[in-house]
Amino acid sequence: AQKITQTQPGMFVQEKEAVTLDCTYDTSDQSYGLFWYKQPSSGEMIFLIYQGSYDEQNATEGRYSLNFQKARKSANLVISASQLGDSAMYFCAMREGRGGAQKLVFGQGTRLTINP
Amino acid sequence: GAVVSQHPSWVICKSGTSVKIECRSLDFQATTMFWYRQFPKQSLMLMATSNEGSKATYEQGVEKDKFLINHASLTLSTLTVTSAHPEDSSFYICSAPRDYSGANVLTFGAGSRLTVL
Repeated sequence: AQKITQTQPGMFVQEKEAVTLDCTYDTSDQSYGLFWYKQPSSGEMIFLIYQGSYDEQNATEGRYSLNFQKARKSANLVISASQLGDSAMYFCAMREGRGGAQKLVFGQGTRLTINP
Repeated sequence: GAVVSQHPSWVICKSGTSVKIECRSLDFQATTMFWYRQFPKQSLMLMATSNEGSKATYEQGVEKDKFLINHASLTLSTLTVTSAHPEDSSFYICSAPRDYSGANVLTFGAGSRLTVL
């Protein structure tokens, strides 16, 4: 069964607009972590933001924020004031369990294109 | 900040040869590293977990004799694709966990693009 679902294969947004990338997850664990990574055309995976399942507040990192809806099992990434350099693939990922170095499971990704 | 170095960034080899990819944590130690594989326009799929001082743990469907993993030290893990064939052509990317405000966050290398002729 798909553990991480990203329903938007591609998104096109005008520069300076805000954009929301959707992510839903499936787990029976009470303790888990949610991550977003950016993958530009060069291929490297760049960590953007992390949300723990017990965190009461939504995570924020600069222009990135994570809209965590625990009851709906969604962890959408919001990018404010988009820039041309934001064009890339974006992956949502989940780690089940608490602590240690558990593996990540990734969604299928969303290709974001920022238009000037 | 935490950096993971991966080498080579790209390699072209003939069918039947073996290729070694190195993954180094430059300014932190990693008892565990993770190797992922990514086909074009697809997501990352975990191949194996590399454990320092012990055997790697492979995901279901990944041939351990095909993809040899050695975690020789706390800063180095290697993936060797043995007797490579064209279907092994892919993007291989390693990662190591680092602390991020009390949580373990995977830091990735830049990846290695393998093309088998």
